[in-house]
Amino acid sequence: AQKVTQAQTEISVVEKEDVTLDCVYETRDTTYYLFWYKQPPSGELVFLIRRNSFDEQNEISGRYSWNFQKSTSSFNFTITASQVVDSAVYFCALSEDDSLTGKLIFGQGTTLQVKP
Amino acid sequence: EPEVTQTPSHQVTQMGQEVILRCVPISNHLYFYWYRQILGQKVEFLVSFYNNEISEKSEIFDDQFSVERPDGSNFTLKIRSTKLEDSAMYFCASNVRGGAGTQYFGPGTRLTVL
Repeated sequence: AQKVTQAQTEISVVEKEDVTLDCVYETRDTTYYLFWYKQPPSGELVFLIRRNSFDEQNEISGRYSWNFQKSTSSFNFTITASQVVDSAVYFCALSEDDSLTGKLIFGQGTTLQVKP
Repeated sequence: EPEVTQTPSHQVTQMGQEVILRCVPISNHLYFYWYRQILGQKVEFLVSFYNNEISEKSEIFDDQFSVERPDGSNFTLKIRSTKLEDSAMYFCASNVRGGAGTQYFGPGTRLTVL
């Protein structure tokens, strides 16, 4: 069965601190895709990154970085030097190759509050 | 940059009424989806649509729900007889290809059932 777990419900940091959001997934597929989406207070879902199961290279995009480890079924997201604008709910999601339509299975989300 | 659009942004309805939520997916995308997010909870898959038919649906997507692509651009979700528990944010998404693609989401429609 497929499942995504984001154990951290809420995280609060002070601006400029680094913060890591955890994501653990379960799947029986050998081919799958992992995503992070950001949901700011305005409510929309903003795509951040997609990773396929064959690519374990870590990725960095500006202040954002992602650490994908198949051995621990984790796909963690780090924000370096956080800013108030990073305050949002962050969702990790899984799509399995067996699901030909690519439906997304979301985690519960982590609410990040960055205080000035 | 192409984006998914949804109308209305907020819909208020009385219990038992029918509602239609509208979406315009990104033009060259072939897979369309509806998701639901009850306030404060996670985003849940409802249904996917490809080649003019439902390709997958969740347990939530019961007989009260239907989807349609009435023309070349719109994608609609109909709830026939709304219940209080249907109150949620409904997101439409589209994808240029299925499992290997990235879903882009619309801004959502907040449905309030009174």
